[in-house]
Amino acid sequence: GAGVSQSPSNKVTEKGKDVELRCDPISGHTALYWYRQSLGQGLEFLIYFQGNSAPDKSGLPSDRFSAERTGGSVSTLTIQRTQQEDSAVYLCASSSNAQLNTEAFFGQGTRLTVV
Amino acid sequence: KNEVEQSPQNLTAQEGEFITINCSYSVGISALHWLQQHPGGGIVSLFMLSSGKKKHGRLIATINIQEKHSSLHITASHPRDSAVYICAARISSGSARQLTFGSGTQLTVLP
Repeated sequence: GAGVSQSPSNKVTEKGKDVELRCDPISGHTALYWYRQSLGQGLEFLIYFQGNSAPDKSGLPSDRFSAERTGGSVSTLTIQRTQQEDSAVYLCASSSNAQLNTEAFFGQGTRLTVV
Repeated sequence: KNEVEQSPQNLTAQEGEFITINCSYSVGISALHWLQQHPGGGIVSLFMLSSGKKKHGRLIATINIQEKHSSLHITASHPRDSAVYICAARISSGSARQLTFGSGTQLTVLP
């Protein structure tokens, strides 16, 4: 597709269940970022992938959060044993090269609600 | 203190007014982004700039590197401009490659 695609767009899950959020970056973009926006809060960095380098996981809030990027393209953010405070909009962005001043393109986000 | 600060937090304007949203940062940056977020969460990148000024339609973004300040201007504002506007800085020091975001400005343009 032409833009960054995220799925699902909305997810309601019960507390304690695991969820997987998917991000399809723009084709050819080597840098991929996950961000989280809790209600009324600003955007919070979670994790960053650049090519084949080890990901920067410094923003992950707990060990219940993990992310993978297979084949340098699609990324999956997994939240295990979800808690109510995990409710947020999860945004994915990609750019052609994080080393340079390149523009980041954002997906529409996945709105996660933990009940 | 946040490294990237925006003002105002909320802004209400009448249709047709000239709007300015400000962003200041306290660290060295390699680029600054202006983003627009509509209800529902989707984010659109409006501008990326590292110096000077950029214009796209009714939107103008400026940055002053010496003063560590950027502004987003909207001319002839329209209700469809109502959204949250976010500035995001790509910090140039250390190994940080991710964007650092301001808290956003909620703009409401009334008809």
